Amino acid sequence: AQSVAQPEDQVNVAEGNPLTVKCTYSVSGNPYLFWYVQYPNRGLQFLLKYITGDNLVKGSYGFEAEFNKSQTSFHLKKPSALVSDSALYFCAVRDGEAAGNKLTFGGGTRVLVKP
Amino acid sequence: ETGVTQSPTHLIKTRGQQVTLRCSSQSGHNTVSWYQQALGQGPQFIFQYYREEENGRGNFPPRFSGLQFPNYSSELNVNALELDDSALYLCASSLGASGTGTDTQYFGPGTRLTVL
Repeated sequence: AQSVAQPEDQVNVAEGNPLTVKCTYSVSGNPYLFWYVQYPNRGLQFLLKYITGDNLVKGSYGFEAEFNKSQTSFHLKKPSALVSDSALYFCAVRDGEAAGNKLTFGGGTRVLVKP
Repeated sequence: ETGVTQSPTHLIKTRGQQVTLRCSSQSGHNTVSWYQQALGQGPQFIFQYYREEENGRGNFPPRFSGLQFPNYSSELNVNALELDDSALYLCASSLGASGTGTDTQYFGPGTRLTVL
């Protein structure tokens, strides 16, 4: 079984400050980890993924995420948040040793960036 | 935008009715996955199709069924609609269900289904 936890329902940050959105996961095999962002009344937009290799993954719009195997975490970060980053963020995991390509999503974290 | 399109954008049905939702994959993608996103929740995996065959299914009853066509577009059919089926239905396409699971899934804008 695979699962994802996003412990914060909402994160508030001032524009220009660092942004962190937390994610922890559980899988039986190797984790493949993804971050998506969702704007109101829109589908999910892909930000970045970790498959293997360097633990620090860089993605779209200045976002990055750090894979930490010992803590089973994959936190999303941005050094300087913008008001336009306000949206709903989803972490997702796939078990690399399971058949198919099912993604399991967390419940989402709403990010509010204030001017 | 991802190039994944879904129709219709919105749909209102009554309990007991049947509904068909449609999805066109991004060019070159042969795998389609369907997800249900209830209000305030993360997407839940319904099933996946790879080269016209079902390639995995989540915890959804058989009244949720699907098809994938030779051009890799897809349909989601839901029979005997219930109030709890009200949700945003998302389609995602990816390059191939090779079993490695490294492919990125690209999502369409979704279809908002309301069941009254």
